[in-house]
Amino acid sequence: GAVVSQHPSWVICKSGTSVKIECRSLDFQATTMFWYRQFPKQSLMLMATSNEGSKATYEQGVEKDKFLINHASLTLSTLTVTSAHPEDSSFYICSARDPSSTITGAKNIQYFGAGTRLSVL
Amino acid sequence: QKEVEQDPGPLSVPEGAIVSLNCTYSNSAFQYFMWYRQYSRKGPELLMYTYSSGNKEDGRFTAQVDKSSKYISLFIRDSQPSDSATYLCAISGSARQLTFGSGTQLTVLP
Repeated sequence: GAVVSQHPSWVICKSGTSVKIECRSLDFQATTMFWYRQFPKQSLMLMATSNEGSKATYEQGVEKDKFLINHASLTLSTLTVTSAHPEDSSFYICSARDPSSTITGAKNIQYFGAGTRLSVL
Repeated sequence: QKEVEQDPGPLSVPEGAIVSLNCTYSNSAFQYFMWYRQYSRKGPELLMYTYSSGNKEDGRFTAQVDKSSKYISLFIRDSQPSDSATYLCAISGSARQLTFGSGTQLTVLP
């Protein structure tokens, strides 16, 4: 099955520093990846859609200068939280679609990474 | 009205029970239906995918879709303590973005 790897799983940083989170599709090429944020006991909130070789599309209310997304290759997307503050502490999860799937509608399926817990002190 | 409604629970059942999880949706353009399982502090894991009305079975799990009622269900037979997790329904249309339910927290008691 499709595997998405996310790294690191947990990061603690000081306020004002930047943190980079990596998302890799291990056994397929992902032209589109997604970044979500999840608060405790809440569902996933889509932050942005990352397209290989082009600019990411951000959801309303998400600061693109704060959450920098780069999708430079078909297997890697990165999310950089710039000048992190305590309110950015959250669980960040990436996902990817497998465009090669031949099952009807299966291109809609998103495969998720294990998530990154960010704690900003 | 939310596009996808899911009872957040929490739901607590004894081991061996049959669990029924449900979602309703409002947009008839939705065509593809998924159930994910999410353990605490982990990413969601795909359990079931279906695109047609009717039942789809995989081991102890059965996904049911009723497009006429805009209602989807996930049944878990012979539930185990290891099934304790949050279950998210996710629905998609031609735009391919997923719309998630709020998640149902399930606890299976040994």
